[in-house]
Amino acid sequence: GQSLEQPSEVTAVEGAIVQINCTYQTSGFYGLSWYQQHDGGAPTFLSYNALDGLEETGRFSSFLSRSDSYGYLLLQELQMKDSASYFCAVKSNDYKLSFGAGTTVTVRA
Amino acid sequence: EAGVTQSPTHLIKTRGQQATLRCSPISGHTSVYWYQQALGLGLQFLLWYDEGEERNRGNFPPRFSGRQFPNYSSELNVNALELEDSALYLCASSYQQGLSTGELFFGEGSRLTVL
Repeated sequence: GQSLEQPSEVTAVEGAIVQINCTYQTSGFYGLSWYQQHDGGAPTFLSYNALDGLEETGRFSSFLSRSDSYGYLLLQELQMKDSASYFCAVKSNDYKLSFGAGTTVTVRA
Repeated sequence: EAGVTQSPTHLIKTRGQQATLRCSPISGHTSVYWYQQALGLGLQFLLWYDEGEERNRGNFPPRFSGRQFPNYSSELNVNALELEDSALYLCASSYQQGLSTGELFFGEGSRLTVL
C-alpha cells in the first residue's frame, strides 16, 4: 500500500515563499505529482517528478529525492489566488495515483 | 475541447438507497479514475477503468462498483447507501495507462449527500 504525509496547514503573507513537504511510503514507486484544489473546485495538475532533482514551472517548483522518499512543492512570490489545498500524490507501478490528505495554504495580505 | 464532465452536480439520497454517478472523459482519453473526497479530507482512490475493464480498485466495500462503456464514459454505483458515503465523488481521465507525467484531468465532481 501507499502512505503519504504532508502538513495540514500553512499560512503566509503575499510575496512570501512557502515549502510544502511530502514524505511517502510505497511499493513500486514511479513518481510524485502535485495538485492544487480551490474550494469546491476540481483538482488541477501542477507538476510531476520521476527523477531526483528540482523541476521549475513559473512560480512553482517541485523537488524529489527518491532515496529519502521525500519531495516538496515550493510556492514563490505568493499571491492571494494561491490560497488553496495542495496535494502530493504518488504514482505506483499499478498505475494508481494515491493522494495525501492535503495542505491548506492561506495567503494573507 | 471539453474537459471531464460529471453528472449530477448534486445528489441527495437516504440511507439504503442506491446512487448512480456519471462521468464523460476528455475526448481521446481511455482511462477513467474515480475518487472519493470526504469533507476536508484527501482523495481516496476508488476505481480505475481502462479500455472497458476494471484495472484496479481501492479499499472500498463491494457495494461500490462501476463500469466503463464503449465510448469510455463511466458510471459509479453505490448501493445500500450509508451516512458516511456523503462526499464529493471525483472522476478523472487520462490517456491509456498514460500516467507518464502523473497527470490526471479531473471533473468538478458530484456531491452526494446521504440523509
